[in-house]
Amino acid sequence: QSALTQPASVSGSPGQSITISCAGTSSDVGGYDYVSWYQQRPGKVPTLKIFDVIKRPSGVSYRFSGSRSGNTASLTISGLQPEDEGDYYCSSYRSDGTQVFGTGTWVTVL
Amino acid sequence: EVQLLESGGGLVQPGGSLRLSCAASGFTFGNYIMTWVRQAPGAGLEWVSTIRESGADTYYADSVKGRFTISRDNSKNTLFLQMNSLRRDDTAVYYCAKDHSNWNYETWGQGTLVTVSS
Repeated sequence: QSALTQPASVSGSPGQSITISCAGTSSDVGGYDYVSWYQQRPGKVPTLKIFDVIKRPSGVSYRFSGSRSGNTASLTISGLQPEDEGDYYCSSYRSDGTQVFGTGTWVTVL
Repeated sequence: EVQLLESGGGLVQPGGSLRLSCAASGFTFGNYIMTWVRQAPGAGLEWVSTIRESGADTYYADSVKGRFTISRDNSKNTLFLQMNSLRRDDTAVYYCAKDHSNWNYETWGQGTLVTVSS
């Protein structure tokens, strides 16, 4: 059960947009609309930012958006703010009835 | 307020056992799928196990299958993870999480640390 592939780090200046990719296969990311994204600040619990590929939970800023092309999902953060700094993880349901997280991406706000 | 509170973590020797609990409040526990996720020190998130509302269906990561057992007591609003044959690479913070819609989690507990060491 190998993890989904994410870039180790992404950075951007305040106000810019960044995109984090999450590469999987047709058995997970590309096969089901059950892709979600989490932010985890150091020492804190993960918080849900996107679910079902493109949906935002109540209370999550419109600056967070999700998308998918083929077997790769993406999280875009627009209007980057200092509080956006942290680790970001994608997750997907898999065809074998399990779930998998991505390798994680550290976002730096320059 | 929806809350999850894990307990039962601690130091255990390789080959030993531990039982984690997750006490839920603020929602109708028996109506939700529940999941355990772990995070080794300095590492990423790893899905461990999921149990459906009634407890009839359970799912496990290959890394814990045959060693860990997830269960729930809906009358006591509590989720469990029985961990046997523990290995050093099971060392992690274990989080319980409440399903939001489809295999995603809006509510997480604060986590309980399990350390497997001699």
